[in-house]
Amino acid sequence: SQQGEEDPQALSIQEGENATMNCSYKTSINNLQWYRQNSGRGLVHLILIRSNEREKHSGRLRVTLDTSKKSSSLLITASRAADTASYFCATLSSNTGKLIFGQGTTLQVKP
Amino acid sequence: GAGVSQSPSNKVTEKGKDVELRCDPISGHTALYWYRQSLGQGLEFLIYFQGNSAPDKSGLPSDRFSAERTGGSVSTLTIQRTQQEDSAVYLCASSPQVPYEQYFGPGTRLTVT
Repeated sequence: SQQGEEDPQALSIQEGENATMNCSYKTSINNLQWYRQNSGRGLVHLILIRSNEREKHSGRLRVTLDTSKKSSSLLITASRAADTASYFCATLSSNTGKLIFGQGTTLQVKP
Repeated sequence: GAGVSQSPSNKVTEKGKDVELRCDPISGHTALYWYRQSLGQGLEFLIYFQGNSAPDKSGLPSDRFSAERTGGSVSTLTIQRTQQEDSAVYLCASSPQVPYEQYFGPGTRLTVT
């Protein structure tokens, strides 16, 4: 079962522009994580934000979390062609280890 | 160090046959997870193992699916009497413990003909 929605489903931008992806979820969480997937195979962990955190940075990535709205956003600044991939948010509840994934956003960065 | 490995990378099987998918987690990781990804269902949790605790099997779609983890390390996901709807990419992940980030393997693409 999917935890929530991600939007947009697809995003196409030019290299150098910023990309913003949004994620909404339904239940209370311990943390929320963002993953990247290239070519439909293994996922790569990008960043984890805990439920008591509001914002987190990692390189060109900025993640925000609003637990009152049950939503998160991922901002990729100064995008590169190599950022072309699918991006998934996933939530993890306190009483379980399983990740519940959103449907994902497909990002295309044009050189 | 070595990441999560899965074998085989691709598996084509006939409907009704049994298949076994293998996962080698990162050494020292106590938690191991199985997910599957298909066009219609997205990324779905199947089962996870945490140390010596009973596994959480709540995501297994039917009793044709089972998994075991031997010696707290390698895991095998078994699908009996495969059906066409079992066609998907099966992903394994491990983490140092719960609830931390998970490290995914490259997946096994299963095609049931």
